This record gives sequence, C-alpha cells and structure tokens, in this order.
Amino acid sequence: AQTVTQSQPEMSVQEAETVTLSCTYDTSESNYYLFWYKQPPSRQMILVIRQEAYKQQNATENRFSVNFQKAAKSFSLKISDSQLGDTAMYFCAFMKHDGTYKYIFGTGTRLKVLA
Amino acid sequence: GAGVSQSPRYKVTKRGQDVTLRCDPISSHATLYWYQQALGQGPEFLTYFNYEAQPDKSGLPSDRFSAERPEGSISTLTIQRTEQRDSAMYRCASSLGQGVGYEQYFGPGTRLTVT
Repeated sequence: AQTVTQSQPEMSVQEAETVTLSCTYDTSESNYYLFWYKQPPSRQMILVIRQEAYKQQNATENRFSVNFQKAAKSFSLKISDSQLGDTAMYFCAFMKHDGTYKYIFGTGTRLKVLA
Repeated sequence: GAGVSQSPRYKVTKRGQDVTLRCDPISSHATLYWYQQALGQGPEFLTYFNYEAQPDKSGLPSDRFSAERPEGSISTLTIQRTEQRDSAMYRCASSLGQGVGYEQYFGPGTRLTVT
C-alpha cells in the first residue's frame, strides 16, 4: 500500500522569503504521479503543482517548484517570494499510474505567511 | 455550473439516522470523486464515477455507505444508520475525464456532525 508522510504539521515564513515543505512517500510502483494541493481557509482544494515520476526534470509553476528525488522517495515544495495569500494547508498527494485514479493524501502542513 | 457545488453545506444528524449528501459537478465533467476528510487530515478516497459507472468503490468504509450517479451528472452519497465516527467533511470533486492529466476540481464540502 502507498503512504504519504508530511512531517511538518505547521510552518511559518516571513513575507517575501522562501519556504520548503517536505513530503515523503512509500511505494513499490515505478510509474506514478505526485501533487501538491493548497487548501486555504475557504477550504477549497486547489492544485498547485504536479510531477510525473518518469520525468527527471523538477516541475515549476511561477513561484512554486518541487525537488523530486525519486530514489529517496521525496517530493518537497518550495515557495519563493512568499505572499500573504499563500497562507493555507498544503497537502502532498500520490496517484498510481494504473488506471485507479485514486489520490493518497498526506496529513498536510499548515503554512502561515507573516507580514 | 461555474464550479462544483455541494449541499447541504452543514448537516447535523442523530446517531442512527440516514443522511444523503449531494454533489453537483461542473457541467460536462465526466468523472466525479467522493472523499472523506477528518479534521486536520487529508482527504481520503471513498469512490468515483465515470459518467454513471462506478469503477471503484474500494474506499467506502462499510456497507452503510453508498453512492449513486444515475444520469452521469449529479451524485449522491448516502450514509445509513449514521455513527459518531462518520462525522467528517465530505468532499466531492469532478474532472473532465479520468486520469492524472485531468485536474480535479473540489467542491466546498459538506460538514457532517453525528450527535
């Protein structure tokens, strides 16, 4: 069975600074996908970034980038130039590439951006 | 519609009662997912539909839980003989198709409290 672990329940960062959120996962699959979702106080879930396991290049989306270490089964999210609107819960998620299309979510990291 | 909607937003019920939760996906979205999210945890997969077919219901915690999507659009999640441990946020998400290439758009959720 797959598991996703986020070991940082809470983090804070000063506005305009950079912060990295950690995520590790366990799987015996060789082909899969990893995601970071953001859940602001409004409680909507918003896709931040996605990474295909077969791609060695780390995904980036504007101020958001990942450090994907496949051998170490690590998938951290870096937020550059943090903004107050980045305050939210961040969930790391895993999906097997086998047609089941089920997300396995981590327990989340609550990020607070300080003015 | 413009986004995924769910109703009711809040539901308080007494132990032993049946409840039905509704999800209205983004129109033309073929795939619909149901998740259960406990407070402070990530969403946990319950089941999903591709149009009216239900390819995977492995996440439903017991036979008290059932879901339908008879016409391939609106879906309902029914919990029979509710128990206190069923208290959680129930989230629905929809996507254009099944597969990781299709982003899941989450609804605001229904907060269920069983007293």
